[in-house]
Amino acid sequence: NAGVTQTPKFQVLKTGQSMTLQCAQDMNHNSMYWYRQDPGMGLRLIYYSASEGTTDKGEVPNGYNVSRLNKREFSLRLESAAPSQTSVYFCASSAGGGGQPQHFGDGTRLSIL
Amino acid sequence: AQSVSQHNHHVILSEAASLELGCNYSYGGTVNLFWYVQYPGQHLQLLLKYFSGDPLVKGIKGFEAEFIKSKFSFNLRKPSVQWSDTAEYFCAVTSLLTGANNLFFGTGTRLTVIP
Repeated sequence: NAGVTQTPKFQVLKTGQSMTLQCAQDMNHNSMYWYRQDPGMGLRLIYYSASEGTTDKGEVPNGYNVSRLNKREFSLRLESAAPSQTSVYFCASSAGGGGQPQHFGDGTRLSIL
Repeated sequence: AQSVSQHNHHVILSEAASLELGCNYSYGGTVNLFWYVQYPGQHLQLLLKYFSGDPLVKGIKGFEAEFIKSKFSFNLRKPSVQWSDTAEYFCAVTSLLTGANNLFFGTGTRLTVIP
């Protein structure tokens, strides 16, 4: 099993450009999450989806949108990228709620110039 | 401000030494507590968790953690570390007051075990 798959692994954008980070899980998990990891900050929750068709804001949602396309896929969109969004982004999933992701993807390293 | 604190940024130990990594949180109410580990080049993975009951929690690979409510702490321990324990360790907390799906992470502690 692939677990949680994120694409792309690396991306460089210019300020103002838009892009979508893709995430898919093959474990039939209900809950999916998007985190960002910055040096000295730990992981911070951007958005999560407790089940197909629902999404909720996390700690740092500003500048992002998400779509829970189906049970497998949960995408993160930057409409107008800013340098402050340079980070490593992790998608995660869990079988149920309760806030504890069980499986993480490899991460997407995003740089915004 | 509410936070999760891991005061040790980098810990270096020799094999067979005992390990204790500190984790303190400042969230009120009922909390759930977690330790995650990220081995070099691998995914972040759940090491152990505490929801309720016995405050001493056993996890994978010989790790354990003790929840001390009066000290707002959830320290990670291992009696004898191995070179393969070299990794980054993250403490995390959810609080019912801030939403059970909102998992707050500490900044991580990098553990280097010298053979």
